[in-house]
Amino acid sequence: DTEVTQTPKHLVMGMTNKKSLKCEQHMGHRAMYWYKQKAKKPPELMFVYSYEKLSINESVPSRFSPECPNSSLLNLHLHALQPEDSALYLCASSPVVLTNEKLFFGSGTQLSVL
Amino acid sequence: AQKITQTQPGMFVQEKEAVTLDCTYDTSDPSYGLFWYKQPSSGEMIFLIYQGSYDQQNATEGRYSLNFQKARKSANLVISASQLGDSAMYFCAMREGRGAQKLVFGQGTRLTINP
Repeated sequence: DTEVTQTPKHLVMGMTNKKSLKCEQHMGHRAMYWYKQKAKKPPELMFVYSYEKLSINESVPSRFSPECPNSSLLNLHLHALQPEDSALYLCASSPVVLTNEKLFFGSGTQLSVL
Repeated sequence: AQKITQTQPGMFVQEKEAVTLDCTYDTSDPSYGLFWYKQPSSGEMIFLIYQGSYDQQNATEGRYSLNFQKARKSANLVISASQLGDSAMYFCAMREGRGAQKLVFGQGTRLTINP
């Protein structure tokens, strides 16, 4: 199994809603990542988890709250989002955090905030 | 400062022709890795090829090869015999240094293959 699975594929939410994005991998990878991608732009790193511990937070607003309950699962909890947070949210994993390790990406969650 | 620069926002190529996508990078760290990803309209990022800073030979993966010129800090992707399915966004990316937690992307090149 070489897949990173993200659910849901599409999400529409209001600014007062609370929702969660889910990411799962069963490749035994110990590093997991959240990226945000606006239309026609490259992915931008949000968070990195290494061995289930948060190792990088790229100054992301607190309305985004990551969680890594175990080595296979990564969540992104959303609360009080703004319309400008509408984007494609990509999850990725890699075996560990090393220079030569490629990231395996999921197909993303397309988020629209109304 | 931009770590990864892709100067071609869009490219149009005839089917079966070879195409070169440009990428230059900026780092002072001797240890780094360079990656190319393809992103079709479906949104998934598909890994294509990897080149390490200490690799002596240019990387190749099927129809993909990487023209690595270390002194010029360039890592161009060459796609031979292009196919209609190659139409997509292509991103050059880099991981650098010890820890190397961040994979940083360039702005991307939109490649369109014409029949």
